[in-house]
Amino acid sequence: AQSVTQLGSHVSVSEGALVLLRCNYSSSVPPYLFWYVQYPNQGLQLLLKYTSAATLVKGINGFEAEFKKSETSFHLTKPSAHMSDAAEYFCAVSSGYSSASKIIFGSGTRLSIRP
Amino acid sequence: GAGVSQSPSNKVTEKGKDVELRCDPISGHTALYWYRQSLGQGLEFLIYFQGNSAPDKSGLPSDRFSAERTGGSVSTLTIQRTQQEDSAVYLCASSFEAGNTIYFGEGSWLTVV
Repeated sequence: AQSVTQLGSHVSVSEGALVLLRCNYSSSVPPYLFWYVQYPNQGLQLLLKYTSAATLVKGINGFEAEFKKSETSFHLTKPSAHMSDAAEYFCAVSSGYSSASKIIFGSGTRLSIRP
Repeated sequence: GAGVSQSPSNKVTEKGKDVELRCDPISGHTALYWYRQSLGQGLEFLIYFQGNSAPDKSGLPSDRFSAERTGGSVSTLTIQRTQQEDSAVYLCASSFEAGNTIYFGEGSWLTVV
């Protein structure tokens, strides 16, 4: 069964530093991979989505993610962190290609930004 | 509607009472999902609907939990005989098709005392 693993429940970086949040999926290439973000006291919103059209996906707020089939990975990056990036980030995967597909989430990574 | 609407936004209930949480998905979305987010935890999948049927109920924690969807629209998650460990934020989400991008509501924060 499809699943996702997020390495590191908490990541802390300095303002202006590179952000790297790790996500690996478990098995065959899924139809969709997602990153969602949850800012403090807010609901979850879509950051970006992989659809197989391109391996490098650009999202909102300067984030991007690269799909690497050989590594079964979909890591999220941002070249320069801002204080406003502090949030919880969730990687998610679609379980299959049929209408009986569900979205499975990783355990989340809390990103903190140091001034 | 414009977005996924959930009610109540906050609910405090006594242990042993039943609660109902309601979700009104985005108009036209055929798939509807329920997740649970406990303090400091990730998103735990509970159940999802495609139309009015639930292909996957595997995430429901116990038989005290049930959900239904009527008219391919509104869904209700019912928790019977609530326990303190049921305290969490219950998130509803919907999508145009199952397995594709889902859009979340603001959640229903449940506290069992």
